[in-house]
Amino acid sequence: ELKVEQNPLFLSMQEGKNYTIYCNYSTTSDRLYWYRQDPGKSLESLFVLLSNGAVKQEGRLMASLDTKARLSTLHITAAVHDLSATYFCAVALNTGNQFYFGTGTSLTVIP
Amino acid sequence: NAGVTQTPKFRVLKTGQSMTLLCAQDMNHEYMYWYRQDPGMGLRLIHYSVGEGTTAKGEVPDGYNVSRLKKQNFLLGLESAAPSQTSVYFCASGPTGSGTNQPQHFGDGTRLSIL
Repeated sequence: ELKVEQNPLFLSMQEGKNYTIYCNYSTTSDRLYWYRQDPGKSLESLFVLLSNGAVKQEGRLMASLDTKARLSTLHITAAVHDLSATYFCAVALNTGNQFYFGTGTSLTVIP
Repeated sequence: NAGVTQTPKFRVLKTGQSMTLLCAQDMNHEYMYWYRQDPGMGLRLIHYSVGEGTTAKGEVPDGYNVSRLKKQNFLLGLESAAPSQTSVYFCASGPTGSGTNQPQHFGDGTRLSIL
């Protein structure tokens, strides 16, 4: 079974600041996905990372994948209130059809 | 553009009752998944299907059954509901399984309370 850990679980940050969310996983994989969930809502796909060294950026968010370290990061640049949400990483084994989710990081951006 | 539709959105059951949650997708996806989301535990896979007529167990399958009689529909059944099954249930679909540049598409969730 693949285990996925996210840190931190809760993050409160001021607008304009930078921060990084970490996603560690226990088994070799080069398939990692980041999602955003607003309170009471569904999950929205943010990034798909499919190779070692992959980096994707969208607006103030940038995601990267280091398969050797079994680590993905989601970096937030100059946070704004609209980024307040829960962020999940999900990892899939290189073989098989199951996705394993982290516990989520609840981000609150304070004006 | 419906995507993934879950019914019902909310439901309250008494312990021991049974019910079926319906998931429908209009994207012609082969793969469909049922997850449960509990506070502090992320999403956990209950069952999944890699195509019409197929089902497989995920991480937490006990107490649930599924069926995929039609490609577009994936049903999740609770045979005898227990308070531990109080949760938010999400259905997801995807064009292939892992190893694809296509993420899963999620429904809006079903909030289920078992009294």
